[in-house]
Amino acid sequence: ILNVEQSPQSLHVQEGDSTNFTCSFPSSNFYALHWYRWETAKSPEALFVMTLNGDEKKKGRISATLNTKEGYSYLYIKGSQPEDSATYLCAPNTGNQFYFGTGTSLTVIP
Amino acid sequence: DTGVSQNPRHKITKRGQNVTFRCDPISEHNRLYWYRQTLGQGPEFLTYFQNEAQLEKSRLLSDRFSAERPKGSFSTLEIQRTEQGDSAMYLCASSISGVGYNEQFFGPGTRLTVL
Repeated sequence: ILNVEQSPQSLHVQEGDSTNFTCSFPSSNFYALHWYRWETAKSPEALFVMTLNGDEKKKGRISATLNTKEGYSYLYIKGSQPEDSATYLCAPNTGNQFYFGTGTSLTVIP
Repeated sequence: DTGVSQNPRHKITKRGQNVTFRCDPISEHNRLYWYRQTLGQGPEFLTYFQNEAQLEKSRLLSDRFSAERPKGSFSTLEIQRTEQGDSAMYLCASSISGVGYNEQFFGPGTRLTVL
């Protein structure tokens, strides 16, 4: 079992603010790192899959970076909007299993 | 809708009763996963199937839990003699082995409340 930590646990920001979250994981047995967004009453939605050290992915206002040597990933949201309100989950993948963190709950206040 | 579906979406039951949930994966996906998520926690792995074979089970899956995927398509998760500690969101996900770093696609979950 991998110990995956996400911080902060919850976050409230004003519309237009930029924000970032952290995902920390053991760097051994690493295969890929997945980020998901989970809105209330919906299915978790895949945001990014990252595999290479130094990898950076971007999707609109959301981007993520990966450091496999030290075992962390950052997720950035630029100019937060109310529709960004959701729980953001990271999950290192060892090949067959995903190990989810506890998530960061983001609330964007209009 | 060709995504992962789960039924029912909500289930309220009394302690001691049996419950069964169903998951229909994306049709061409050969892997199917079950997770449980409790308040304040991320999804915890329970078990997964490749086609009809159950390849791995978590120690979280007590003997009151059983999962099947008889024809390698839909799957059922049964909980016998439910306890209040079983109250949680049960998530199903599917993927294609060997493709795209095993990216998993999730259903909306079944929320179980045991009274």
